[in-house]
Amino acid sequence: DVKVTQSSRYLVKRTGEKVFLECVQDMDHENMFWYRQDPGLGLRLIYFSYDVKMKEKGDIPEGYSVSREKKERFSLILESASTNQTSMYLCATLGPGETQYFGPGTRLLVL
Amino acid sequence: GENVEQHPSTLSVQEGDSAVIKCTYSDSASNYFPWYKQELGKRPQLIIDIRSNVGEKKDQRIAVTLNKTAKHFSLHITETQPEDSAVYFCAASIPGNQFYFGTGTSLTVIP
Repeated sequence: DVKVTQSSRYLVKRTGEKVFLECVQDMDHENMFWYRQDPGLGLRLIYFSYDVKMKEKGDIPEGYSVSREKKERFSLILESASTNQTSMYLCATLGPGETQYFGPGTRLLVL
Repeated sequence: GENVEQHPSTLSVQEGDSAVIKCTYSDSASNYFPWYKQELGKRPQLIIDIRSNVGEKKDQRIAVTLNKTAKHFSLHITETQPEDSAVYFCAASIPGNQFYFGTGTSLTVIP
């Protein structure tokens, strides 16, 4: 069974803090994605990675960075959290047939 | 880049009626169109998809149609049931495996 996990379901941070969101998959998928989900805006791509140490910017990369040191782990980093980064963050992988598998999401609140 | 528009944003139907959600896309290079269902508090999950070489696909009560000329695709749910209540997202994928999502449709099926 496909499994994508995220390190936290809920997270509360203060403005200016450095925040790490981790995503782990056990399916040996090469492509991994980070999205943020906001009401009325759907899912927007922040970054994606198609291989270890490879990354590509998505539509809204500003204020974020990513790390992919191992194939199974894709981390999203908020260098200096701001209130407009309060959102639901979803990690996903790309499996056979172009099917995306999503993690459970991390709801981040920045105060 | 690709732009996916989705309508309506909310939809209420009586149990047993049909529901239709429509999406348009802008990039003629898009060749894969999945639909995701996201129940409250859960991760998005693929329910049906269609590729650009096919005009229609059906899976029990759900079907998807694609009009490449007009650049639009639609999700049809027949004989709706309360458990169909969820947020539905369409997406378009272009070569390179980037996915562009619609803004979501919140479907409520009234018993």
